[in-house]
Amino acid sequence: QKEVEQDPGPLSVPEGAIVSLNCTYSNSAFQYFMWYRQYSRKGPELLMYTYSSGNKEDGRFTAQVDKSSKYISLFIRDSQPSDSATYLCAMSISNFGNEKLTFGTGTRLTIIP
Amino acid sequence: GAVVSQHPSRVICKSGTSVKIECRSLDFQATTMFWYRQFPKQSLMLMATSNEGSKATYEQGVEKDKFLINHASLTLSTLTVTSAHPEDSSFYICSAHPGQLSREETQYFGPGTRLLVL
Repeated sequence: QKEVEQDPGPLSVPEGAIVSLNCTYSNSAFQYFMWYRQYSRKGPELLMYTYSSGNKEDGRFTAQVDKSSKYISLFIRDSQPSDSATYLCAMSISNFGNEKLTFGTGTRLTIIP
Repeated sequence: GAVVSQHPSRVICKSGTSVKIECRSLDFQATTMFWYRQFPKQSLMLMATSNEGSKATYEQGVEKDKFLINHASLTLSTLTVTSAHPEDSSFYICSAHPGQLSREETQYFGPGTRLLVL
């Protein structure tokens, strides 16, 4: 069993829809949770960063962490074609500089105009 | 803030040559940088952790003599693919961590370097 499970998709939704992306994990020691967006042939871009359980909102993006269920989500409201990308969840036990991130496999998302 | 650059963005070389890729943190100092490899439609695979002023730590299965890492300053790490072969063709991405615990910090990624070995 992988430490982090993420549905690889691909996921296609019409423009304007609400998108829900999810990851589950097995290591209860994870405390820091990230979502990265990666466009084709580009490096990952940090979208959301959360610590422990709870919600965090930034514009059209909302990140949720449920540590009791070991489940994290990223919601995208009013989805736009420019949101078409691969979304990677990542997590770590601490935010020390030398700590590795554990990544999900990424979900390929396409927003259909 | 938190910008990481990589150079070159794309390189094509002949089999047997060595290729150097630079990773720079432009607006922060990074005691630790990470090197990843990514194959098409796959997730990131960590190759090594680069520590300023000390030897890099390589992941299991990554040949340290083939993938030479130098982290000579707090803003620069280099990855040299020695005697490159076609199977080394891939997308190489670096990341850097500001290393400060007083605010939210995590790894910030460079734009990647696409290596094609003929």
